[in-house]
Amino acid sequence: DAKTTQPNSMESNEEEPVHLPCNHSTISGTDYIHWYRQLPSQGPEYVIHGLTSNVNNRMASLAIAEDRKSSTLILHRATLRDAAVYYCILVAGSARQLTFGSGTQLTVLP
Amino acid sequence: SQTIHQWPATLVQPVGSPLSLECTVEGTSNPNLYWYRQAAGRGLQLLFYSIGIDQISSEVPQNLSASRPQDRQFILSSKKLLLSDSGFYLCAWGGRANTGELFFGEGSRLTVL
Repeated sequence: DAKTTQPNSMESNEEEPVHLPCNHSTISGTDYIHWYRQLPSQGPEYVIHGLTSNVNNRMASLAIAEDRKSSTLILHRATLRDAAVYYCILVAGSARQLTFGSGTQLTVLP
Repeated sequence: SQTIHQWPATLVQPVGSPLSLECTVEGTSNPNLYWYRQAAGRGLQLLFYSIGIDQISSEVPQNLSASRPQDRQFILSSKKLLLSDSGFYLCAWGGRANTGELFFGEGSRLTVL
């Protein structure tokens, strides 16, 4: 299974942009890149996903490298509510098994 | 709209006792269903997934089992709990396509004493 590598933790100041990196050098051509986040004592929440092109939605933007071996989740203005563990996940197969890594713990400082 | 519910939300069980966690999905048909476990301070571990009634795939050998008696019902069971079974159990559903998101339930926190 293709794996992802993320920093264990990152800090950001409130109302500043945050760039969360993810490396996936063994990604296959049919793997989608998904991002989820998890607040304490809650289930993960979908954030965004993409295949090759950059994607934007109301929560975040996803920038995918041209060779698809890395991607970056961009929160344009971090708020205290954005403090969570962010998971970068590769999704493949008809059953869409999602394999979660350890994620990045984002701390937002007021 | 689609909803997912799992219960109970919390439970404390003695070692060796049985376990049954239930998950139901409403508002969709023929979903993929998943059971994940998260140990304290750890990431999510996929335990089981199902693409249809009575079609269960196990990702990790353990003393847990899963069943899908109905299209939108997914049950996680154990005949005898171990201390290592403690954790936060999450049910999730997703559509068939290789895109789109998984929707997670509220989670069930199990403490085995």
